[in-house]
Amino acid sequence: AQSVTQLDSQVPVFEEAPVELRCNYSSSVSVYLFWYVQYPNQGLQLLLKYLSGSTLVKGINGFEAEFNKSQTSFHLRKPSVHISDTAEYFCAVRTYSSASKIIFGSGTRLSIRP
Amino acid sequence: DTAVSQTPKYLVTQMGNDKSIKCEQNLGHDTMYWYKQDSKKFLKIMFSYNNKELIINETVPNRFSPKSPDKAHLNLHINSLELGDSAVYFCASSQESSGVYEQYFGPGTRLTVT
Repeated sequence: AQSVTQLDSQVPVFEEAPVELRCNYSSSVSVYLFWYVQYPNQGLQLLLKYLSGSTLVKGINGFEAEFNKSQTSFHLRKPSVHISDTAEYFCAVRTYSSASKIIFGSGTRLSIRP
Repeated sequence: DTAVSQTPKYLVTQMGNDKSIKCEQNLGHDTMYWYKQDSKKFLKIMFSYNNKELIINETVPNRFSPKSPDKAHLNLHINSLELGDSAVYFCASSQESSGVYEQYFGPGTRLTVT
C-alpha cells in the first residue's frame, strides 16, 4: 500500500520570500504524484502533477515540484510567494493500476506574512 | 459554468436524522468520488463510481449509501446521523479511461450534526 507524508503541518513565510513544502511518499510500485491547493472554504484545485518524463514539473500560479525517485520525494517550491498563496496544500499519490485511489497527505498550511 | 457542483453547501441537522447530499459534474467524466474532510483537514476517500458502477468502497459505516443514477451524478445518503459525521464532504470527478487521473473537486458540503 502507498502512503504520503507531509513533513510540515504549518509553514509561515514572509511575502516575496521563497518557500518549499515537503512531501515524501512510500510505495512498492510506480506512482503518479500530485499537488493540490485548497483555499479557505473551497474545494481542492490541482496545482501540478507528475505522470512521467521530466522530473521537474511546472504548475499554475508559479509553483513547481521535483520528483526524486531515489529519495521518494515530491517537494513543492515557489521562488516568491504572495499573500494570495495563503492556503492548505496537499500532496497526493496513486499507483498506475486502474481503479486505484488517490491517497492524500495530511496537508501543509502555508501562511504568508506581509 | 460550474464543473462539479454540490448541494447543499451547508447542512445543519440533529442526531438520528437522515440527509442527502447531491453532486453533479458537467465535465463528461466517467468516474466520481466522495471524500470526507475532518476538522484537521485530513481528506479520506469514501466511495468511487466508474460509469455508475461502484469500484471503491472504503471502510465506511453502512449508514452511508451512495447512489449514481447516471454518469453525471453521484449522491450521498446518510441514515441515522451521528455527531462524528460532522465534516466537510467533497465530491470529485475524473476521466479515468483517458489516463489523465487528475480529480476535479466540488466546493464541499459542510455537515454539522447537533
